[in-house]
Amino acid sequence: DAGVIQSPRHEVTEMGQEVTLRCKPISGHNSLFWYRQTMMRGLELLIYFNNNVPIDDSGMPEDRFSAKMPNASFSTLKIQPSEPRDSAVYFCASSLNGANEKLFFGSGTQLSVL
Amino acid sequence: QKEVEQNSGPLSVPEGAIASLNCTYSDRGSQSFFWYRQYSGKSPELIMSIYSNGDKEDGRFTAQLNKASQYVSLLIRDSQPSDSATYLCAVNINNDMRFGAGTRLTVKP
Repeated sequence: DAGVIQSPRHEVTEMGQEVTLRCKPISGHNSLFWYRQTMMRGLELLIYFNNNVPIDDSGMPEDRFSAKMPNASFSTLKIQPSEPRDSAVYFCASSLNGANEKLFFGSGTQLSVL
Repeated sequence: QKEVEQNSGPLSVPEGAIASLNCTYSDRGSQSFFWYRQYSGKSPELIMSIYSNGDKEDGRFTAQLNKASQYVSLLIRDSQPSDSATYLCAVNINNDMRFGAGTRLTVKP
């Protein structure tokens, strides 16, 4: 298996632009997590899907952030409009079933908003 | 109180020594606990999982869990320079996987 696949690896954009991050979980995994990592705040949970349904989105910073999982093999995290404080590494992770299982992380997307 | 707290370090130990990493968590009902290792510029990878009170050993790594004290630790025996990384404690809190801030470990040759 190729593991969790994220794209793009790096994204540089200007303030106010829309940013879309993509994730393909491991085939057969029922749960998908989006995290954001910064030096100041560490690894923060943004949203968690189980069987394509958002279970907990309390970590989504504000209305500028939205996430979708239209099917079991694809998820997106969108920021519109982007701001410099959104600069971070965004990780997608998947597990067989929920947070009792090992998480497999993608390589992350390094986002820089200028 | 943060949901998952770790001593942020940094922690420096000489090669061959025992490194001890500690973590406390806020939710007394949590049942699943994990240690991840993250090398600089890389994504986290699982080292150990532990679900029951007591010790769990895997090679040079030992995880210890005390649910009454809401405390989980990771011991690394015979530390190697290749163990230098940030170690993240993760806890299943209300079916969310929550991470501590991480402890940066440096093993000096």
